[in-house]
Amino acid sequence: EAEVAQSPRYKITEKSQAVAFWCDPISGHATLYWYRQILGQGPELLVQFQDESVVDDSQLPKDRFSAERLKGVDSTLKIQPAELGDSAMYLCASSLGVQSGYTFGSGTRLTVV
Amino acid sequence: GQNIDQPTEMTATEGAIVQINCTYQTSGFNGLFWYQQHAGEAPTFLSYNVLDGLEEKGRFSSFLSRSKGYSYLLLKELQMKDSASYLCAVRFTGGGNKLTFGTGTQLKVEL
Repeated sequence: EAEVAQSPRYKITEKSQAVAFWCDPISGHATLYWYRQILGQGPELLVQFQDESVVDDSQLPKDRFSAERLKGVDSTLKIQPAELGDSAMYLCASSLGVQSGYTFGSGTRLTVV
Repeated sequence: GQNIDQPTEMTATEGAIVQINCTYQTSGFNGLFWYQQHAGEAPTFLSYNVLDGLEEKGRFSSFLSRSKGYSYLLLKELQMKDSASYLCAVRFTGGGNKLTFGTGTQLKVEL
């Protein structure tokens, strides 16, 4: 069964450092999402891509977060500088199109110390 | 807002039936999803409802009433492995397939 690949699985970083996460969606999935899930809460959308274009980044803290999907395939989410409140699970998901169901990757658990 | 409300925690006995409720704002509704999430893992898809009624899939069923802004997930013949968080998520029109998630219901299955 096709999967959404994410790396790293776990990341510990010091505050004020830069950190990056990588996601490779299911082949052929045009839509890619980055969600953040704080412990005990539901996932919250950070950014949505349709191919290489950003569809929604209204909840992305743009002063410190950036995301790209240059060739419309894999994607990178970056935080610089990291803050203690950024500690969370970062989930990537993909779907065939804008009316299709999601498949989530395994996530990256970020701890900022 | 687009609040999705579900109970925080529930406890049930192995072999029993449990119903997890979810309420949401009806305006702009365009589909409801249920996901299961074990601790430290990614959510996995359980069910999708866009029309009123019951969708059954093995031990899991999901019900939707669009007029009431209400859904439930029914788990039958509970097993210990069903202990997990159950997330209700709603897609609203104009959101480009964005899902708005509830905070999740932590289900504990006991012997």
